[in-house]
Amino acid sequence: GAVVSQHPSWVICKSGTSVKIECRSLDFQATTMFWYRQFPKQSLMLMATSNEGSKATYEQGVEKDKFLINHASLTLSTLTVTSAHPEDSSFYICSARRLSGPSYEQYFGPGTRLTVT
Amino acid sequence: AQTVTQSQPEMSVQEAETVTLSCTYDTSENNYYLFWYKQPPSRQMILVIRQEAYKQQNATENRFSVNFQKAAKSFSLKISDSQLGDTAMYFCAFRGRLQGAQKLVFGQGTRLTINP
Repeated sequence: GAVVSQHPSWVICKSGTSVKIECRSLDFQATTMFWYRQFPKQSLMLMATSNEGSKATYEQGVEKDKFLINHASLTLSTLTVTSAHPEDSSFYICSARRLSGPSYEQYFGPGTRLTVT
Repeated sequence: AQTVTQSQPEMSVQEAETVTLSCTYDTSENNYYLFWYKQPPSRQMILVIRQEAYKQQNATENRFSVNFQKAAKSFSLKISDSQLGDTAMYFCAFRGRLQGAQKLVFGQGTRLTINP
């Protein structure tokens, strides 16, 4: 149990367009979802925390108008990269925390590779 | 703010050997969680082991064990009888328990290669 999926797994878009990445908890309800960004050979950096039904909390330095996060249900959170630029190319990973169960448990999705040309 | 430091960017050992990955952290909290995550080439993050700070006993999961030194704020991972499948990036992570601080903070990672 506790499977998190991301779609798409890989996306290429042109500079100036927007792209949406979905994060789904497949077999549990997630009160909280996290979005991370990982550059090649680097660590995961938290971008934002989203709670179902409320606005996301963004980390310092992350542009909320550029990285739109919507957590509309207990099983789905979306990250939309608006007006994408080549510097937005990265690996984006989501994780989810269960509605029930230990609060320290976080389940990670397989990630989405975004390439902006 | 909490910080996590992994001072070994890369390590390489022969199959079946034992290897220890280092991690230090900084926090003013007394109660927290520490984790080791594995990220293989597939990039899927996998939880290896978890330690709760209030527990003195070091956590163990099969071939994986930790040496948790709370006073020294050190949390190393020992992999015994290493296998080729252990080749991956390993991240040490900290999670506080205070309200508003319940997010994972990752170290820089250690790239571990197990050679046949």
